Amino acid sequence: AQKVTQAQTEISVVEKEDVTLDCVYETRDTTYYLFWYKQPPSGELVFLIRRNSFDEQNEISGRYSWNFQKSTSSFNFTITASQVVDSAVYFCALSEGPPGAGSYQLTFGKGTKLSVIP
Amino acid sequence: DSGVTQTPKHLITATGQRVTLRCSPRSGDLSVYWYQQSLDQGLQFLIQYYNGEERAKGNILERFSAQQFPDLHSELNLSSLELGDSALYFCASSAETSGGAYAYEQYFGPGTRLTVT
Repeated sequence: AQKVTQAQTEISVVEKEDVTLDCVYETRDTTYYLFWYKQPPSGELVFLIRRNSFDEQNEISGRYSWNFQKSTSSFNFTITASQVVDSAVYFCALSEGPPGAGSYQLTFGKGTKLSVIP
Repeated sequence: DSGVTQTPKHLITATGQRVTLRCSPRSGDLSVYWYQQSLDQGLQFLIQYYNGEERAKGNILERFSAQQFPDLHSELNLSSLELGDSALYFCASSAETSGGAYAYEQYFGPGTRLTVT
C-alpha cells in the first residue's frame, strides 16, 4: 500500500532563511504522481505542484523549488528567502494508477507546519 | 479561489443527527473526490464520483454516503452522527477524463467544518 512520510512535524525559521520540507513516499506502482499542497491558517488546501513518476526533472517556481529523486523515493520542497506569508501547513501527497485508471485518490502525509518568524 | 464551492462553511449538530454537505466542482470537471481531515487521522480519502457514477471508495463509514447529480454537483450525507465525526470535510475536483492518460491535480473547496456535540 502507498504511504507518505513527512518526518518534520513543525519547523520554525526566521524570515529570509531558506527552508526544506522533506517528503518520502512508498509505492509498488511504477506509475505514480506526487503533489504538494499548502494549507494556510484560513484552512483551504492550495495546490502547488504535481510531478509524474516518469518525469524526474526538478522544478523551480519563483521562490519555490522541488527536488524529485526516485532513487531515494523523495520529493522535497524548498522555499528560498522565506516570508511570513509562507507560514502554513504543507502536505505532500501521492496517487497511483496506470494511464486510464480513472481514479487517483490522494494519500497524504501528516503535514509539516512551517512558521516563519519576522 | 479554486473554483470549487462547498456549503455550508460551518455546521454544528447533535449526535445521532443527519447532515448533508454540498459541493460544486470547477466548471468542466467531471470528477469529484471527498476527503475528511481530523486531528487524529489527518487527511483521508472517502469516496470519488466521476460523471455521476461512484468510481472509488476509501475509508468511508457505512453511515456515510454520497452521490453526484446530473449537473455534477455532489452531496455527502452523514447520518447517525457521533462525536468522532467532527472534522473538516473537503471536496476536490479534477479534470481527469475517462480513460485519460494521467492523473491531474485536484483542486479543493474551502471545506465544511462539522462539529458534532
